[in-house]
Amino acid sequence: DTGVSQDPRHKITKRGQNVTFRCDPISEHNRLYWYRQTLGQGPEFLTYFQNEAQLEKSRLLSDRFSAERPKGSFSTLEIQRTEQGDSAMYLCASSLPSEWERRTGELFFGEGSRLTVL
Amino acid sequence: QQPVQSPQAVILREGEDAVINCSSSKALYSVHWYRQKHGEAPVFLMILLKGGEQKGHDKISASFNEKKQQSSLYLTASQLSYSGTYFCGTDFFGNEKLTFGTGTRLTIIP
Repeated sequence: DTGVSQDPRHKITKRGQNVTFRCDPISEHNRLYWYRQTLGQGPEFLTYFQNEAQLEKSRLLSDRFSAERPKGSFSTLEIQRTEQGDSAMYLCASSLPSEWERRTGELFFGEGSRLTVL
Repeated sequence: QQPVQSPQAVILREGEDAVINCSSSKALYSVHWYRQKHGEAPVFLMILLKGGEQKGHDKISASFNEKKQQSSLYLTASQLSYSGTYFCGTDFFGNEKLTFGTGTRLTIIP
């Protein structure tokens, strides 16, 4: 039984470079969420998908951020022209379809991808 | 609107009880509670739907006051394994797009 996996776990990059993170949700989960967490803070919502459709994107997210979930399975989060303020842990989470009886509303989080922008 | 959690931090001796509060300024569909240990992913504890229900899980329980838009998490006879940061997550529309609070750091000492 595999949980949510994220890759890479750590990324160090120079300011101005592009980075891409990948998230593989639990296979039967149709909802996928991206959150960002900085030290001492709670996770901050970035965007979420239901299957391949991106349903919402945070207004706090600049145009440098883009996320995709092309076939409704894995998702990628790309940050273009990284800035030092982008340094954070990027968390992915997934959840069961809303119509499933055994659904509890739980978000299953991955271990996260830690980004450091120098 | 980020929910407000209190206290920000608490230190307990093993076996003592604690209460963590979460308040929202907007009407809620549900409240979620998560615990995160240092360097690990948040782990789900429980969800409370509007209706004022109370839930329990082992020695951890929670309540939700819909009228006040407040939830409280109760930890009874705390164990060393309860240490971590507790976050409440508020859901306004039932889509699990959660807005998390700033967290409450709980430290249990022997």
